Amino acid sequence: NAGVTQTPKFRVLKTGQSMTLLCAQDMNHEYMYWYRQDPGMGLRLIHYSVGEGTTAKGEVPDGYNVSRLKKQNFLLGLESAAPSQTSVYFCASSLQSDTQYFGPGTRLTVL
Amino acid sequence: RKEVEQDPGPFNVPEGATVAFNCTYSNSASQSFFWYRQDCRKEPKLLMSVYSSGNEDGRFTAQLNRASQYISLLIRDSKLSDSATYLCVVNFPSGTYKYIFGTGTRLKVLA
Repeated sequence: NAGVTQTPKFRVLKTGQSMTLLCAQDMNHEYMYWYRQDPGMGLRLIHYSVGEGTTAKGEVPDGYNVSRLKKQNFLLGLESAAPSQTSVYFCASSLQSDTQYFGPGTRLTVL
Repeated sequence: RKEVEQDPGPFNVPEGATVAFNCTYSNSASQSFFWYRQDCRKEPKLLMSVYSSGNEDGRFTAQLNRASQYISLLIRDSKLSDSATYLCVVNFPSGTYKYIFGTGTRLKVLA
């Protein structure tokens, strides 16, 4: 099992560009999450999903959109990147509302 | 008051020492509690869940104090490999599938 994988691992964008981060899990988990981690802020929940075809807003959803068309994939989109979105993005999944398994992270820099 | 608060440290301890971290949470209705470990530039990984009766896993002991709304992590016989950031995680009240992460406590075990 690969667990939770994230693509890409690193990315540099210019302000206003768009991109999609892909998260994939092979553990048949229902729940998936996108977090961002910034120095001194801890992990903050952006969006989450409790099943295929469902999404919900987390703590810091503005500027991001998500889709969960397949159970194993959870996509995070930035339509118009801003420097404030420079961060490390982690995807996680869980079977139910218990242990979360994290992907290796995506380091995004917006210039 | 922050929803989940941790002393950021760093805690610098010699090998073999015993060290304890506390984490306070604000929502008395929270029901699930966890300690995660995060190594530098890596994803968080579950260290242990925290049960009402407390639990122990080798050198690690976790306790929950509902009356005072805090959880603790005790590490005995510290190893160099225990150097990491320890994240406290608390869920929102049942049904929301959201977790709040503390900003972490940094531990350095010194030779």
